[in-house]
Amino acid sequence: AQSVTQLDSHVSVSEGTPVLLRCNYSSSYSPSLFWYVQHPNKGLQLLLKYTSAATLVKGINGFEAEFKKSETSFHLTKPSAHMSDAAEYFCVVSGVSNDYKLSFGAGTTVTVRA
Amino acid sequence: DAMVIQNPRYQVTQFGKPVTLSCSQTLNHNVMYWYQQKSSQAPKLLFHYYDKDFNNEADTPDNFQSRRPNTSFCFLDIRSPGLGDAAMYLCATSRSTGYTEAFFGQGTRLTVV
Repeated sequence: AQSVTQLDSHVSVSEGTPVLLRCNYSSSYSPSLFWYVQHPNKGLQLLLKYTSAATLVKGINGFEAEFKKSETSFHLTKPSAHMSDAAEYFCVVSGVSNDYKLSFGAGTTVTVRA
Repeated sequence: DAMVIQNPRYQVTQFGKPVTLSCSQTLNHNVMYWYQQKSSQAPKLLFHYYDKDFNNEADTPDNFQSRRPNTSFCFLDIRSPGLGDAAMYLCATSRSTGYTEAFFGQGTRLTVV
């Protein structure tokens, strides 16, 4: 069974409109959750992280995410998309298993229309 | 300032010819990881070091090996690359293995001809 599920493989938005990337997880432990962004032929850059502090987490480049334990979700949002947001986004969870490895979602490709 | 540096960014190797990818870090982190990422897929963990302790994933082929001579450097050796080993290889570091974020390098794109 998959431990991290990104509900959309591809999201297309117009520049200046909101972006929503959905992530659900399953874990028997208290996880830490992260969102990473990957531009073509680049490494992964951390956007934001949740580590049991405030449930609404603000990250870089105007992104934020809300941890909802009751829904086991950690959705990523941005109020206004920019062309430079076109990239691959990964939801990552630590604490899915007792060895605390990072578990990756399958990724969501974001395209931004001018 | 780059914190996790991978060299080279692009590597072309011949089928069956050994190749080594390198990674260095300036973060003084205990843990270093190697991931393999194929096109349109999530990164797949190959192995990691916690200090000098090597931890191999159960499904990592024997063709892949790693060395960590000191805290700052880690190498990925592919003994006999096959066409299926063409991928992006990502190095990452973290302070520990539990609940902390990983910092990734820019990756090495490996092509096998």
